[in-house]
Amino acid sequence: EIVLTQSPATLSLSPGERATLSCRASQSVSSYLAWYQQKPGQAPRLLIYDASNRATGIPARFSGSGSGTDFTLTISSLEPEDFAVYYCQQRSNWPPVFTFGPGTKVDIK
Amino acid sequence: EVQLVESGGGLVQPGGSLRLSCAASGFTFSSYWMSWVRQAPGKGLEWVANIKQDGSEKYYVDSVKGRFTISRDNAKNSLYLQMNSLRAEDTAVYYCARGGGIVNWFDPWGQGTLVTVSS
Repeated sequence: EIVLTQSPATLSLSPGERATLSCRASQSVSSYLAWYQQKPGQAPRLLIYDASNRATGIPARFSGSGSGTDFTLTISSLEPEDFAVYYCQQRSNWPPVFTFGPGTKVDIK
Repeated sequence: EVQLVESGGGLVQPGGSLRLSCAASGFTFSSYWMSWVRQAPGKGLEWVANIKQDGSEKYYVDSVKGRFTISRDNAKNSLYLQMNSLRAEDTAVYYCARGGGIVNWFDPWGQGTLVTVSS
């Protein structure tokens, strides 16, 4: 089973600052890596798929990079609505089983 | 508008059963893999199960194998999760999500339905 680790667990930043979130896989997941945003009481929302592709309607300040075992989600300039928990997720080659990372909480400094 | 609406959650005793439903609209349901993902209170996300477009392939996380069954009715645009032999650790919000097969991600998600397993 592929294990995803996310760092840091919590990131305290101010609006306008740059956020850099890391996701590391225990073995290569190629580019089968997605990122989600979740706000309290809401369902997760897809931000990035296949490591670097923004989902429909996602602002350009969100970007993803990486391949293999190391991935990064970058928020170029934090807006007030960006303070939330962010999860990475991978798909095993086959069969299609999925795991999520433990999440990174981005909170207001 | 693509929409997924879950129902069927509630309070159930350990060892009991519950059937969750997910009503899909706004897209061609029969063309997509579908999945269930859960989130225990205050915890992270856990993929539970997925099902191919025609129902011919189904996969489960190890912790629910033999207890949960995913199914779908393409004529009714509906996804189901039959949960038997429920345990306290199955307590969670259960989300229905489009994707989770050839498509490597989940989008969109329903609003979730809460399942509480307690005596």
